Amino acid sequence: GAGVSQSPRYKVAKRGQDVALRCDPISGHVSLFWYQQALGQGPEFLTYFQNEAQLDKSGLPSDRFFAERPEGSVSTLKIQRTQQEDSAVYLCASSLGRTGETQYFGPGTRLLVL
Amino acid sequence: QKEVEQNSGPLSVPEGAIASLNCTYSDRGSQSFFWYRQYSGKSPELIMSIYSNGDKEDGRFTAQLNKASQYVSLLIRDSQPSDSATYLCAVTTPGGSYIPTFGRGTSLIVHP
Repeated sequence: GAGVSQSPRYKVAKRGQDVALRCDPISGHVSLFWYQQALGQGPEFLTYFQNEAQLDKSGLPSDRFFAERPEGSVSTLKIQRTQQEDSAVYLCASSLGRTGETQYFGPGTRLLVL
Repeated sequence: QKEVEQNSGPLSVPEGAIASLNCTYSDRGSQSFFWYRQYSGKSPELIMSIYSNGDKEDGRFTAQLNKASQYVSLLIRDSQPSDSATYLCAVTTPGGSYIPTFGRGTSLIVHP
């Protein structure tokens, strides 16, 4: 079946612009995670959803970052007033169960803020 | 602060050799351990998971876990150039949503 998909794959934004990143998890997967990966680093946790409930958003770096998953499937990560330090790859992962043990990653969105 | 440490490398091995990748973690309560492979410009792909002390083998890959030493490793036998990638160690702790903490990854280069 289809894997996790993300769009856009690449996004160039001017500083101060708002961006929205989309994630389509594997159908039926309960858990959905967002990560930020800077160059040469491992993925850093941003936020976690179990169905439509956002159970953990402790990794969001500032109140400019907002995520939602209103119907328990597709999720959107929104970054307001983008800054240069927001430049990174944003990865979405989903897992079948509630514990998030085995995660399947999407291809990521590479965000460049100029 | 949960920490997962990996040598960033690069680790360079000749084709056919055994590649040994290491990872240490700070939280003694950690219970699940994962190795992901990430090719340049691609997303991480799960290759091994291990939950109990000892060795777990899957084809050319062997994961080794020593909870007393808070150490997990990945051995790749008969290394191939196609194994050249960054290998990420991830660790989860029970409670909450088992959110994994990732290391920064070790870059492996297998040269012909």
